[in-house]
Amino acid sequence: DGGITQSPKYLFRKEGQNVTLSCEQNLNHDAMYWYRQDPGQGLRLIYYSQIVNDFQKGDIAEGYSVSREKKESFPLTVTSAQKNPTAFYLCASSLEGSSYNSPLHFGNGTRLTVT
Amino acid sequence: KNQVEQSPQSLIILEGKNCTLQCNYTVSPFSNLRWYKQDTGRGPVSLTIMTFSENTKSNGRYTATLDADTKQSSLHITASQLSDSASYICVVSHPNQAGTALIFGKGTTLSVSS
Repeated sequence: DGGITQSPKYLFRKEGQNVTLSCEQNLNHDAMYWYRQDPGQGLRLIYYSQIVNDFQKGDIAEGYSVSREKKESFPLTVTSAQKNPTAFYLCASSLEGSSYNSPLHFGNGTRLTVT
Repeated sequence: KNQVEQSPQSLIILEGKNCTLQCNYTVSPFSNLRWYKQDTGRGPVSLTIMTFSENTKSNGRYTATLDADTKQSSLHITASQLSDSASYICVVSHPNQAGTALIFGKGTTLSVSS
């Protein structure tokens, strides 16, 4: 079945450590996205990528980094510079840029807890 | 400021009853409006996408309506089931800003009880 796989589902880290969240898709989609979801708030865009080897900052990119070396993969690194990293992180993909009519396909998220 | 407001924040209904969720937006210009369903601890799943020229779109027991003049949309759920318990998220899209185009509402949490 085609879809988006995020791993791990739960992640626990000590403050000051960098951590990388995995996102893989087999939908052959060009565009991939990372969102952050906090209780009582709408999803906020961290980074997005339209094509391999290219990515753009979203609304809350500070303290995060990404790479897009393969079409299928879009890992997110949460660095120690991110002041409040505990959140639910969602990866998504779409056939084309989100301003068009193609829907976003989401993974099932990674819940990161930093203590 | 581009915003998407959803109401009510939460809703409890009995199994088998109908309900309607509201979405008001101030996003301009507007490309399309989407409704997503998000089960607890899972990623959102697309229910409908409507362009400004569409007034209504259905997906099984889910029917979305759009009034682009008043910038309002609604999601009507018919004959609710326990599995409809979830958060429903309204999302509005800007044109010409690929990747940063989506404005998300905070969602309406629906609980269906037996």
